[in-house]
Amino acid sequence: QQQVKQSPQSLIVQKGGISIINCAYENTAFDYFPWYQQFPGKGPALLIAIRPDVSEKKEGRFTISFNKSAKQFSLHIMDSQPGDSATYFCAAIVNPGYSSASKIIFGSGTRLSIRP
Amino acid sequence: NAGVTQTPKFQVLKTGQSMTLQCAQDMNHNSMYWYRQDPGMGLRLIYYSASEGTTDKGEVPNGYNVSRLNKREFSLRLESAAPSQTSVYFCASSVDSDTEAFFGQGTRLTVV
Repeated sequence: QQQVKQSPQSLIVQKGGISIINCAYENTAFDYFPWYQQFPGKGPALLIAIRPDVSEKKEGRFTISFNKSAKQFSLHIMDSQPGDSATYFCAAIVNPGYSSASKIIFGSGTRLSIRP
Repeated sequence: NAGVTQTPKFQVLKTGQSMTLQCAQDMNHNSMYWYRQDPGMGLRLIYYSASEGTTDKGEVPNGYNVSRLNKREFSLRLESAAPSQTSVYFCASSVDSDTEAFFGQGTRLTVV
C-alpha cells in the first residue's frame, strides 16, 4: 500500500519531442508529490512538486499532471533537450496525520535519454 | 550554500571492516535520512531521523546503525561490512518528515 509504481523504466526521445513519465499510487494518505532529477554521479535534485488539490503545475518545460481519482500523476518534459538526459524519480509524501516509518516513498526511477 | 555534505565521496572496504559515513546539513532541517541506491532498485531508505534525538528504521536497516549527533549531523555506521553493502549511499534532509528532501552528492562504497 506504500508503493509508488513508476513507468517506463527507460525512455528514449528525440530532441524536441515530449518525454512522459508516469507514476501511480494506492495509499490515499499521500498528499505531496515531488519529482527528482538525477545526473550520473550526482545526488537526486528536486525538480518540481505538486499537491493533489491542483490538476497541473508547470515550471518552464516541465509539467506535472495529476489525476486524483485515478491516483496517477505524470511528468511531461516539453521540447526535450539532450541536457535533460538523466534518471527521474517520482515520490509521494505521507500527510502529517499518518503514522509511518517512511514518509517519503520513491518510485523506481526512469532513465531518460534524449537523442540529438 | 553547501546544503547537504557527505564524506567521504568514495571508499573501498574489505569484508568485515567497519566505517562511518558522515553527513551534515546547513539548512536547519529537522529531518534527515540515509538511502542506498543500487542499479534497478531505486532509492531505499535505510534509517531516518524525524527530529534531533530520534531515529527510526527504514526499509533496509540490517547491518547499519545511525547516530543523530545534533540537528546538523547524521552518521551511518557499518559495523562489519559485507559485499552486499556495496552501493551508493545518499544522505538527505528535509524541513520536516512530510516535506520534500534535499540530497547530498553521495558516497560510493565498494566492499571487497
